[in-house]
Amino acid sequence: DAGVTQSPTHLIKTRGQQVTLRCSPKSGHDTVSWYQQALGQGPQFIFQYYEEEERQRGNFPDRFSGHQFPNYSSELNVNALLLGDSALYLCASSLSQGVSYGYTFGSGTRLTVV
Amino acid sequence: EDQVTQSPEALRLQEGESSSLNCSYTVSGLRGLFWYRQDPGKGPEFLFTLYSAGEEKEKERLKATLTKKESFLHITAPKPEDSATYLCAALNAGGTSYGKLTFGQGTILTVHP
Repeated sequence: DAGVTQSPTHLIKTRGQQVTLRCSPKSGHDTVSWYQQALGQGPQFIFQYYEEEERQRGNFPDRFSGHQFPNYSSELNVNALLLGDSALYLCASSLSQGVSYGYTFGSGTRLTVV
Repeated sequence: EDQVTQSPEALRLQEGESSSLNCSYTVSGLRGLFWYRQDPGKGPEFLFTLYSAGEEKEKERLKATLTKKESFLHITAPKPEDSATYLCAALNAGGTSYGKLTFGQGTILTVHP
């Protein structure tokens, strides 16, 4: 049973560019959340998608946007990249009606902005 | 605003030397308290979920406990392979059927042979 799959694993972008990160949730999960983890910090909630709509959003600017597809996979888009956007981006999947049972995380995408 | 604080930031132990990690939380509408293990460059790996004060869960050398304000992760006779960052996260559902995780900054555990 495949867990959460994220691609790419590593990415280097130039300041001002745009980036798209991808996530396939664990089989059977219908909800996808995205987190940003800066070096030495805990993950910070970006937003959550369910039924192809953004259901919750953390304190991140509009440069961060997302999408969920009918097969529950998701994309995270970041526009006008800043040096401070360099981080590990984590995707977590869960069941919409069973969030208390936890979230399964992918291995993340390491984004470096130069 | 939800807040989760972990201490200490870093902990160095000798193999076999037991200790505890602390997680203090201020969350309205707590639906669960999670512990994850994270190895360098990897995503968090689920360890435990605790739902109510007084609850305890064990897995090998690890035991997690929960009070109304804190959670502890006790490590008994640790081995070098237990070295990792341990993350605590609180799930706030805010009265809905879904929620978001608020993480602490983590405790970096190093176990020396």
